[in-house]
Amino acid sequence: DQQVKQNSPSLSVQEGRISILNCDYTNSMFDYFLWYKKYPAEGPTFLISISSIKDKNEDGRFTVFLNKSAKHLSLHIVPSQPGDSAVYFCAASAYVGGTSYGKLTFGQGTILTVHP
Amino acid sequence: NAGVMQNPRHLVRRRGQEARLRCSPMKGHSHVYWYRQLPEEGLKFMVYLQKENIIDESGMPKERFSAEFPKEGPSILRIQQVVRGDSAAYFCASIRDNVSGNTIYFGEGSWLTVV
Repeated sequence: DQQVKQNSPSLSVQEGRISILNCDYTNSMFDYFLWYKKYPAEGPTFLISISSIKDKNEDGRFTVFLNKSAKHLSLHIVPSQPGDSAVYFCAASAYVGGTSYGKLTFGQGTILTVHP
Repeated sequence: NAGVMQNPRHLVRRRGQEARLRCSPMKGHSHVYWYRQLPEEGLKFMVYLQKENIIDESGMPKERFSAEFPKEGPSILRIQQVVRGDSAAYFCASIRDNVSGNTIYFGEGSWLTVV
């Protein structure tokens, strides 16, 4: 049962343009969402997060949008840079009955390639 | 990623041997998580520990896998009698407090290859 889905395995974007990565979830108990960036042979690096009480969070070139009614979130990167090329994972957590916020459910990842 | 230390980075074991993976959380962090990433898949939660306590092991395989986080020293993920299907990247993560908004930091990972 894939509770967090990233339906696009890959995305190719020109440098300077916007990258939009999408993520859908099914578990309505999720209340905290994160995006991680990962290079091969390295650990995930935290990018940005959003709580379910918000619908948008912005940090520099990265903006995350949350649509709770659609159970959908997206990560916008603008402008995209070649150094952004990596695998992007969305993740979700729920604080239910003491379950930790560190217990994350990850999507399968989207490979972003930004061409110069 | 700086701060969550994992070793070894790469480990090769023959089938039937034991694998021990170590994780030291970031300074000041008392909550440790282990995740596994199989080839072509996302990371999957295995176990959540605090010092001397296993809080949630719902993601751990029922046999051969165990984890601990002693009062002193790193957290250890132990895999006994390894099989080829255990070949994966194992990531440790830590968080300061179990409160929303705290960033969850991951280590660089330990890549286990079973031959």
